[in-house]
Amino acid sequence: GESVGLHLPTLSVQEGDNSIINCAYSNSASDYFIWYKQESGKGPQFIIDIRSNMDKRQGQRVTVLLNKTVKHLSLQIAATQPGDSAVYFCAENSGSARQLTFGSGTQLTVLP
Amino acid sequence: DAGITQSPRYKITETGRQVTLMCHQTWSHSYMFWYRQDLGHGLRLIYYSAAADITDKGEVPDGYVVSRSKTENFPLTLESATRSQTSVYFCASSDMRLNTEAFFGQGTRLTVV
Repeated sequence: GESVGLHLPTLSVQEGDNSIINCAYSNSASDYFIWYKQESGKGPQFIIDIRSNMDKRQGQRVTVLLNKTVKHLSLQIAATQPGDSAVYFCAENSGSARQLTFGSGTQLTVLP
Repeated sequence: DAGITQSPRYKITETGRQVTLMCHQTWSHSYMFWYRQDLGHGLRLIYYSAAADITDKGEVPDGYVVSRSKTENFPLTLESATRSQTSVYFCASSDMRLNTEAFFGQGTRLTVV
């Protein structure tokens, strides 16, 4: 069936380094993608989104890249900080029902 | 305060009991959702609602009931709780625009013993 998955369940980076979190999706009809950050004990928090007519979008310290050819999505975090430690989820929306399909998440740990 | 709030934050219940999780949003968003989050499964959609009195099943609806008599409230009821329903439940809402993010509550941790 259709799915959204993440390549790696955990990622450790040194403070100040850049982080890259990857996500693969299989539904070619997906036209909207979101990255969420979830800190321990909290609900998912929106980070950045991208529509399928774009291949790159930048926010504050974050960049999302979309490669529709290989159905791959990535989140880049520049100058990773301790506060960036969290689980990151990618999610896709492929229809008008506003439903999101989530990946299983990547735990990002920032090392001092 | 504006936002989306869930109650209770923590709940322990016994197998077979009925339990209702509450969700309230102050944005007047049309869409509301219930997800469950289990280790290794990410977030899975239980039910969603496009507007008051309109609800639809998601990926894992069995054992759950929802209602939406008012736009701002979307309660989730477990009619006869089972241990497999032990999970963290998240409510979310989004507005009418196509392709827009959902805003999540802080979650309810439910334990069924």
